[in-house]
Amino acid sequence: EIVMTQSPATLSVSPGERATLSCRASQSVSSNLAWYQQKPGQAPRLLISGASTRATGIPARFSGSGSGTEFTLTISSLQSEDFAVYYCQQYNNWPPWTFGQGTKVEIK
Amino acid sequence: EVQLLESGGGLVQPGGSLRLSCAASGFTFSTYAMNWVRQAPGEGLEWVSTISSGSGTTYYADSVKGRFTISRDNSKNTLFLQMNSLRAEDTAIYYCAKMSAYLGSYPLDYWGQGTLVTVSS
Repeated sequence: EIVMTQSPATLSVSPGERATLSCRASQSVSSNLAWYQQKPGQAPRLLISGASTRATGIPARFSGSGSGTEFTLTISSLQSEDFAVYYCQQYNNWPPWTFGQGTKVEIK
Repeated sequence: EVQLLESGGGLVQPGGSLRLSCAASGFTFSTYAMNWVRQAPGEGLEWVSTISSGSGTTYYADSVKGRFTISRDNSKNTLFLQMNSLRAEDTAIYYCAKMSAYLGSYPLDYWGQGTLVTVSS
């Protein structure tokens, strides 16, 4: 089973600042990596697939990078609606399809 | 517009059973693999089960193998999860999620709002 590790657990950022979230896989997942956003009381929403391809309707301030075992989600200028929990997920080696434990982006 | 609507959650005693349903609309249901993902209170996301587009292939997390059964009715655009021998640790919101292709190395591109399952005496 591939273990996904996200860091940091919590990221405190001021509106308008840049946020950088990390995700590490215990073995290579190629570019088969997705990022999801979850706001309180809501279902997760797909942001990024293929490590760097934004899903339909996702603003350009969200960008993903990386391949193999190291991945990054960058939010270039945080808006109020971006404060949420972000999860990475690998879909390269399955089953199981595995998620990271999440990074909470909170207002500083 | 893709819509996934879960139902069937509720309070059940340990050892009991529950059947979850997910009604799908807005896409060709029979073309895509479908999934159940759960989230315990205050915790992260845990993949539970996946079924291929034609029902021929199913996968389960070790934590539910032998107790849960995933199935689908493509004629009714509905996904199911039969949960037996429920335990307290099965308490979670259960999300229905669509895979972006028929099965495999693809992300989950649409999610339902979830249904809460509480296992408690």
